[in-house]
Amino acid sequence: KAGVTQTPRYLIKTRGQQVTLSCSPISGHRSVSWYQQTPGQGLQFLFEYFSETQRNKGNFPGRFSGRQFSNSRSEMNVSTLELGDSALYLCASSLKGLAGGLVGGGANVLTFGAGSRLTVL
Amino acid sequence: AQSVTQLGSHVSVSEGALVLLRCNYSSSVPPYLFWYVQYPNQGLQLLLKYTTGATLVKGINGFEAEFKKSETSFHLTKPSAHMSDAAEYFCAVSDRNNDMRFGAGTRLTVKP
Repeated sequence: KAGVTQTPRYLIKTRGQQVTLSCSPISGHRSVSWYQQTPGQGLQFLFEYFSETQRNKGNFPGRFSGRQFSNSRSEMNVSTLELGDSALYLCASSLKGLAGGLVGGGANVLTFGAGSRLTVL
Repeated sequence: AQSVTQLGSHVSVSEGALVLLRCNYSSSVPPYLFWYVQYPNQGLQLLLKYTTGATLVKGINGFEAEFKKSETSFHLTKPSAHMSDAAEYFCAVSDRNNDMRFGAGTRLTVKP
C-alpha cells in the first residue's frame, strides 16, 4: 500500500510569506502528526490531528496551524515566515485511535513521509 | 511524563566494527520503546520496537536492542557496521496513550 505522501518536497520562500504543506496518510490511518526537524532543535512535535480535530499541540507560536480533512489528509500552514522556520517538516500517520490507544491494543507505530524541506530567505 | 536521552550526538565506527547507540528513558509506567532511522533527505523509518515480552528485540538490517528495566535503557546494537548504516538514529518512548517522545538523535558515521 502507498506510504505517507508529503508535498511539496522542497520549497523556498522569503520572510513574511506564508506556506502550506500537505500530507496524505496511509489509507486507514486517521491520526496525523506533524514534526519540525532542525539541526539545532532536533525533532519537535507540532500537532496531531484525529478525525478533523486537533488532539495535541506542541509549543509553537500561533503562526503554525493545521487542519485535517474528512479523508484524513492534513495540511499545515505557517504564516509570516521567519528565517528560523527553515526546517524539514515531517508528517507521520498511525492507527492511533479515538482514545489514544490502538484498536486492539498495542504500540502505536508512526509511519513518516519523506518530509517537506522549507528554506526561508 | 516520559522522556528519552540519547548519549552521544555523533558516533563514528569503522566498517565491520560493532555499532552501539545508547538510549536511556524515563517513564512512570512500563513504556513502549522504539528505534527509528533516518537516511539523508528521507523521513524516519522504524527499525524495531519493544512492547512486552522478550527483552531482546530484533529489527531490520541486522540491528537489535535490549530493554533493560533496571537500567532504564534501550541501547541499539549491530555486530558489524556497513557503510549503508550511515544515518541518523532516533530513540523514542511512548506511554499507553501512545504519546511519543523522541530523543535528540545520534548521527552514525561509518568509516571505510
